Amino acid sequence: DQQVKQNSPSLSVQEGRISILNCDYTNSMFDYFLWYKKYPAEGPTFLISISSIKDKNEDGRFTVFLNKSAKHLSLHIVPSQPGDSAVYFCAASEEETSGSRLTFGEGTQLTVNP
Amino acid sequence: GAVVSQHPSWVICKSGTSVKIECRSLDFQATTMFWYRQFPKQSLMLMATSNEGSKATYEQGVEKDKFLINHASLTLSTLTVTSAHPEDSSFYICSARGFYDQPQHFGDGTRLSIL
Repeated sequence: DQQVKQNSPSLSVQEGRISILNCDYTNSMFDYFLWYKKYPAEGPTFLISISSIKDKNEDGRFTVFLNKSAKHLSLHIVPSQPGDSAVYFCAASEEETSGSRLTFGEGTQLTVNP
Repeated sequence: GAVVSQHPSWVICKSGTSVKIECRSLDFQATTMFWYRQFPKQSLMLMATSNEGSKATYEQGVEKDKFLINHASLTLSTLTVTSAHPEDSSFYICSARGFYDQPQHFGDGTRLSIL
């Protein structure tokens, strides 16, 4: 039972354009969402998070949008840079009840072409 | 800040041996540490959650006697894969979380290969 799904295994965009990575979840108890970036042979690096009381959080080039009714979140990267090429994981937790256990999606490989 | 160090980064050993992986939070106190396993092209799967000074909580399907976790201090947790076999070969990653602090910060992982 995959509670967090990233349906696009890969995404390719041109440098300078917007990258949009999508994530869907099924567990309505999730109330905290995170995006991580991962390079090969390294651990994930935290990018940005959002609480369920918000619908948008922005940090520099990265913006996360949350649509609770649709159980959908997305990560926007603008402008995209070649160094953004990596695997992006979305993750979710039931902050109040589960001690911050994270459930991860399968990841999306982003390639930004120069 | 929020650096998590994992050691070793790569280990190759014979079937039947036990392997210990260390996870250290270098610049913060980690009340909770997590151990994940990742198979190629798949998601990170949580194996267990450990709180300093108490027994680890294992996810369903994870063998406690196979994967021994110790969290003896606020900066160190260890995962020991006992009597490792080829099917235990995988990428193991730890993460740490401080007091009232999201998010989890991850180590760089350990590539375990059992021959």
